[in-house]
Amino acid sequence: KAGVTQTPRYLIKTRGQQVTLSCSPISGHRSVSWYQQTPGQGLQFLFEYFSETQRNKGNFPGRFSGRQFSNSRSEMNVSTLELGDSALYLCASSGSNYGYTFGSGTRLTVV
Amino acid sequence: TQLLEQSPQFLSIQEGENLTVYCNSSSVFSSLQWYRQEPGEGPVLLVTVVTGGEVKKLKRLTFQFGDARKDSSLHITAAQPGDTGLYLCAGAQNKLSFGAGTTVTVRA
Repeated sequence: KAGVTQTPRYLIKTRGQQVTLSCSPISGHRSVSWYQQTPGQGLQFLFEYFSETQRNKGNFPGRFSGRQFSNSRSEMNVSTLELGDSALYLCASSGSNYGYTFGSGTRLTVV
Repeated sequence: TQLLEQSPQFLSIQEGENLTVYCNSSSVFSSLQWYRQEPGEGPVLLVTVVTGGEVKKLKRLTFQFGDARKDSSLHITAAQPGDTGLYLCAGAQNKLSFGAGTTVTVRA
């Protein structure tokens, strides 16, 4: 079966712009989580959606937001981009608490 | 501050040697997961351990979950260059929290 698909793979944006990242989970998985990965901080939890509802949220500013659609596809949005937002953004889908399948990520560079 | 502390941070060994990676926390988890990540890709799930004291073996990899469900270890026997990567432990409570990772390099 198809894995988790994240688009785009690479993105370069300018400070102050906004960006939208997309994630298509494994078919049948209703939980989608987003993570930010940087060399200094490692994998940091952003938020989790389940059946179109945000179930958990990490400690990120309100510039980071997300949503989930009825087909379980999810998007995350970052507004007013800062240089420090440069990172690998990972999406993971899960059908249970016993394992997450990650996408290949979106590499965001803010210049 | 990481909820899960992994050690060592870096590990470089010769092919054929054994290695152990540790994952410790003061928190109790409903399950603990181990992932391996290669550069430019997302983490790939290796195993999930659920029961305190549980030991799981996958070929040359042995995973152990502590009795109190607060810590875990990953042991690789006779490491191969293909084992090179970033090993991450992650604990599940109401969300999945990751350790900082252990970068393993196996030299041929």
